[in-house]
Amino acid sequence: GAVVSQHPSWVICKSGTSVKIECRSLDFQATTMFWYRQFPKQSLMLMATSNEGSKATYEQGVEKDKFLINHASLTLSTLTVTSAHPEDSSFYICSARGQVSYNEQFFGPGTRLTVL
Amino acid sequence: GQQVMQIPQYQHVQEGEDFTTYCNSSTTLSNIQWYKQRPGGHPVFLIQLVKSGEVKKQKRLTFQFGEAKKNSSLHITATQTTDVGTYFCAGPHNYGQNFVFGPGTRLSVLP
Repeated sequence: GAVVSQHPSWVICKSGTSVKIECRSLDFQATTMFWYRQFPKQSLMLMATSNEGSKATYEQGVEKDKFLINHASLTLSTLTVTSAHPEDSSFYICSARGQVSYNEQFFGPGTRLTVL
Repeated sequence: GQQVMQIPQYQHVQEGEDFTTYCNSSTTLSNIQWYKQRPGGHPVFLIQLVKSGEVKKQKRLTFQFGEAKKNSSLHITATQTTDVGTYFCAGPHNYGQNFVFGPGTRLSVLP
């Protein structure tokens, strides 16, 4: 099956710093990538949808200036959490969808962010 | 706005017992997807249902899409410890390209 990787898998940072998370589709071209946030024992909350080469579409309540998304190629999307604060601590998961299996999302392993 | 709900929130079963989780949407869905997330892992796609009244089986798992395309169920026959995890349903957001996930049903199986 299709593989999606995320890097880093785990990061701890100080309050006020920025953190970049990478999401890569390893064996297929991802026309669309999604970024989710998941709190412990809760569901996935969609943050934004990004299509290659265009600006991301953010869900209501998600600050686009705080969560910068770049989808520069068909295999890479990045999420940058700018000026992170403790309340940004969470599990961030990306998923990718390609042209082969359009409706199926392939999830990355997630990145656990802890902001001190 | 569009809401996707699931019940129960938690289910504890003895190994060998059956398990069912129900998914309900506030709006009609063009399709519905089911995912499984193991503890500490990421969601894994299980299946997609598209047709009204559709029933699909995967070994011990049976998925059903309601006639009105507003509800769905996942039934596991004779649960095993490997079935442990959280099962999420997800429906398209207002017929868009992204999906709204239900809150999930956390299944634990006692050996």
